[in-house]
Amino acid sequence: AQTVTQSQPEMSVQEAETVTLSCTYDTSESDYYLFWYKQPPSRQMILVIRQEAYKQQNATENRFSVNFQKAAKSFSLKISDSQLGDAAMYFCAYTPPYGNKLVFGAGTILRVKS
Amino acid sequence: DAGITQSPRYKITETGRQVTLMCHQTWSHSYMFWYRQDLGHGLRLIYYSAAADITDKGEVPDGYVVSRSKTENFPLTLESATRSQTSVYFCASSPIDRASNTEAFFGQGTRLTVV
Repeated sequence: AQTVTQSQPEMSVQEAETVTLSCTYDTSESDYYLFWYKQPPSRQMILVIRQEAYKQQNATENRFSVNFQKAAKSFSLKISDSQLGDAAMYFCAYTPPYGNKLVFGAGTILRVKS
Repeated sequence: DAGITQSPRYKITETGRQVTLMCHQTWSHSYMFWYRQDLGHGLRLIYYSAAADITDKGEVPDGYVVSRSKTENFPLTLESATRSQTSVYFCASSPIDRASNTEAFFGQGTRLTVV
């Protein structure tokens, strides 16, 4: 069974600084998708960034970028120029090439200090 | 309005009662899912459906029942609620086409408390 591990229950970052959230996963598949979701206090699940496993290039979305290491099964999220609005729970998630089911990590709470 | 909506947003019920959480999507997505969110566990899949009249168990299905008679609706029923089912429940949908990057769209969540 696929598993996703987020080893950092909480992280803090100073406003305007950079922070990296870690995620590792376990799968025997070669084709899959990886995601980072943001959950602010409103509970809304917001897709931050996605990565397709067969693409070697790391995905980027404005201030958000990933470091995808397929051999190491690692998928970290880097947030640059952190803003107060980035404070939230962040979930790493994996989906296999069939069924569209998401497997989530336990989440990392990100606090942004002004 | 287009999107995916859950109802109710909040629910308090007593142990042993039957509770149904509703989920409705307007996109005609083939896939629909129910997840529960608990501290330390992230979101875990309860049940999912690939199409109308097709449902399957996820990671934590015990104590739950689902149905999908129409593509747009996917209700989740707790047959006899227990305190361990106190959680936040999310419904989600996604298109069947993987070329669409399989993005899942989530409802607002239902906070269920079983007392």
